[in-house]
Amino acid sequence: KAGVTQTPRYLIKTRGQQVTLSCSPISGHRSVSWYQQTPGQGLQFLFEYFSETQRNKGNFPGRFSGRQFSNSRSEMNVSTLELGDSALYLCASSDSIAYEQYFGPGTRLTVT
Amino acid sequence: GIQVEQSPPDLILQEGANSTLRCNFSDSVNNLQWFHQNPWGQLINLFYIPSGTKQNGRLSATTVATERYSLLYISSSQTTDSGVYFCAVASAGKSTFGDGTTLTVKP
Repeated sequence: KAGVTQTPRYLIKTRGQQVTLSCSPISGHRSVSWYQQTPGQGLQFLFEYFSETQRNKGNFPGRFSGRQFSNSRSEMNVSTLELGDSALYLCASSDSIAYEQYFGPGTRLTVT
Repeated sequence: GIQVEQSPPDLILQEGANSTLRCNFSDSVNNLQWFHQNPWGQLINLFYIPSGTKQNGRLSATTVATERYSLLYISSSQTTDSGVYFCAVASAGKSTFGDGTTLTVKP
């Protein structure tokens, strides 16, 4: 089976812009979770989608949003980018509620 | 929310040495995973271990759910074992990561 894929791998944006990141889960996996990793805050849970519905959400401002499509692919969007949004964004897929997560390679976002 | 503490934060070993990494968590969890993050940021699955003991080559892990801790053992360490090791627990549909243990194995 192909692993979790994320696009793009690297991205440079300017403050105030918006960005959309994409994640394709492992075939058959219906749950996709997103995480932000920064040196100061570590790995933090953003949200989880299951069957096109946001099932869980972390403590991030409303500028961070996501969605999931019928084929389980997921996108996350960050609007009005701030310098502090510079981070590695990781997505993980899993196949059940008490899940074993498999991570993609991440998208490294730099906001200037 | 649930708290996850990993220790030690940093560990430096000579090649061939053994090590034990610890993960404590503050509440009951549905599952627990150990990951190794490589220098490029990829999280590699090591163990899915909500309870019990598992072994995979030179690595093994034990989770004692009733006492809310998990241990990752690395035997005969190699330079390629260097990197950051994370444990992550899931509860109520949310995953929480510890801050990681940075392992450096010197030749």
